[in-house]
Amino acid sequence: AQTVTQSQPEMSVQEAETVTLSCTYDTSENNYYLFWYKQPPSRQMILVIRQEAYKQQNATENRFSVNFQKAAKSFSLKISDSQLGDTAMYFCAFIGLQGAQKLVFGQGTRLTINP
Amino acid sequence: SQTIHQWPATLVQPVGSPLSLECTVEGTSNPNLYWYRQAAGRGLQLLFYSVGIGQISSEVPQNLSASRPQDRQFILSSKKLLLSDSGFYLCAWKGGGDEQYFGPGTRLTVT
Repeated sequence: AQTVTQSQPEMSVQEAETVTLSCTYDTSENNYYLFWYKQPPSRQMILVIRQEAYKQQNATENRFSVNFQKAAKSFSLKISDSQLGDTAMYFCAFIGLQGAQKLVFGQGTRLTINP
Repeated sequence: SQTIHQWPATLVQPVGSPLSLECTVEGTSNPNLYWYRQAAGRGLQLLFYSVGIGQISSEVPQNLSASRPQDRQFILSSKKLLLSDSGFYLCAWKGGGDEQYFGPGTRLTVT
């Protein structure tokens, strides 16, 4: 079974700093997708960024980028020039492309951006 | 564009009462649909998913059930709520790239 581990329950940085959230996963599949979701205090789950496992190039979305290390099964999220609105829970998620294709979530990292 | 709706937004129900949460999707046809539950400060637990009308797969055996009476409608139900059913319930649909898009959620408190 696939598992996703986020080892940082909480993080806190100052506004405008860069912060990196860690995520590791375990799977025997070769083809899969990885995601980062953001859950602000409103609790709406928002897709931040997506990475296809077959792509070597790291995905980027404006201030958000990932460092995908397939061999190490690592998928970290970097937020540059952090803003107060980035304060949220961040969840790493995995979906394999075989079988039932169920999304597996990590336990989340609570990120606080301080003014 | 696609949108996903959930109602009610909040619900307070006594133990032993029935439950019906509704999720509808607009702007897409025959989507895969999912029900998740999130306990306070925790990750998401997949409860049910559906690949089509009348097709329901259960992930966690408990006193909840799901139904899909129409293509874009997904309902979560219970005949008798337990205190442990309290939580935040999220419905999601699967996009073309296997990402999932979530509704605004329902906060359920069982008293």
